[in-house]
Amino acid sequence: AQSVTQLDSHVSVSEGTPVLLRCNYSSSYSPSLFWYVQHPNKGLQLLLKYTSAATLVKGINGFEAEFKKSETSFHLTKPSAHMSDAAEYFCVVSRDNAGNMLTFGGGTRLMVKP
Amino acid sequence: NAGVTQTPKFRVLKTGQSMTLLCAQDMNHEYMYWYRQDPGMGLRLIHYSVGEGTTAKGEVPDGYNVSRLKKQNFLLGLESAAPSQTSVYFCASSPDRGRRLAQSSYEQYFGPGTRLTVT
Repeated sequence: AQSVTQLDSHVSVSEGTPVLLRCNYSSSYSPSLFWYVQHPNKGLQLLLKYTSAATLVKGINGFEAEFKKSETSFHLTKPSAHMSDAAEYFCVVSRDNAGNMLTFGGGTRLMVKP
Repeated sequence: NAGVTQTPKFRVLKTGQSMTLLCAQDMNHEYMYWYRQDPGMGLRLIHYSVGEGTTAKGEVPDGYNVSRLKKQNFLLGLESAAPSQTSVYFCASSPDRGRRLAQSSYEQYFGPGTRLTVT
């Protein structure tokens, strides 16, 4: 069975400092992994995805994530936080090869201080 | 190109009432999904559809029904609402599997959500 654990429910950083949002997954086969972002009162937007190509995945808005099979991790990073990055972030694993059955982590709320 | 739209945006129901949430997409996507989002739990799949006229159960289907009579629309029904169904409901869509495999992408495109309160 596939599952996702986001290790921090809240992360607070200062503007201009690095961002690290942690995600661990379990999967019985080579997974497809995603990070989605949800701004307040908005729907979800795809940040980036891993589908067994390069292990370092670059996404929109300067975010990137590295797939580490040995650590079963898919942490999201950004070198320098911006105020507009304040949002909720979801790590997601696909439970089936077709990509229909997504399992979401509980979410990490990122706060950015001026 | 409006993407994925949901109607209504907000609704308050009394226990036992029924309602239908409408999801529409204009991207000619084959696959459509309904999720619910509860605090601290991420999104959970209620039902999904792999094409017009077909539906399948997701992770938490009890108390909900769906229909996909037209490719662009996916309806979520609550026949007898319960307080446990208070949640934010999201609809999503994605291209058919062939296009997704060609693009190595399983991205789902989400609507803005419907906030439902059952008292």
